[in-house]
Amino acid sequence: ILNVEQSPQSLHVQEGDSTNFTCSFPSSNFYALHWYRWETAKSPEALFVMTLNGDEKKKGRISATLNTKEGYSYLYIKGSQPEDSATYLCALGGTYKYIFGTGTRLKVLA
Amino acid sequence: NAGVTQTPKFQVLKTGQSMTLQCAQDMNHNSMYWYRQDPGMGLRLIYYSASEGTTDKGEVPNGYNVSRLNKREFSLRLESAAPSQTSVYFCASKRDRGDTEAFFGQGTRLTVV
Repeated sequence: ILNVEQSPQSLHVQEGDSTNFTCSFPSSNFYALHWYRWETAKSPEALFVMTLNGDEKKKGRISATLNTKEGYSYLYIKGSQPEDSATYLCALGGTYKYIFGTGTRLKVLA
Repeated sequence: NAGVTQTPKFQVLKTGQSMTLQCAQDMNHNSMYWYRQDPGMGLRLIYYSASEGTTDKGEVPNGYNVSRLNKREFSLRLESAAPSQTSVYFCASKRDRGDTEAFFGQGTRLTVV
């Protein structure tokens, strides 16, 4: 069983703060690491897919990095806004199996 | 452009009743998945299907069965519902490769009383 862990479980930040979360996974048999954004009462939506050690992806104020050798990925949000409030999930993608972490719930306070 | 469609959106069952959750996708994806979402536990994989005619257990398969009826449809069956199966269920599909994103249905909120 693949074990994908995320920390922290929840986070409250003030508007304008920058923040980051961690996703940890077994470094063996790595194929791809995905980040999703999940708003309450909606379905998860993909943010990034990363496959190579050292990958960095960016979308607006959100970016992510990947370290496959040590088994972790960071998601960064610069200048958090209230609309960034959501649960951020990472998922470890094998050829077919697709396992999610427990998520980090972010609340940005105005 | 429907994507992934789940039915029903809400359901209340009595303990011991059975029901089937339906999922269909129109993106010609080979891989389909059923997850359950419980507070503080993210999304846990129940079953997945890599292609039409194949199904495999995920992290929490006990109490569930699945059928991959054809390429489009993947159903989840609860034969004898238990209160522990109260959850929100999500169906997802993706192309085969691990580096492709998954697309999710809107979820089914199931309550077992």
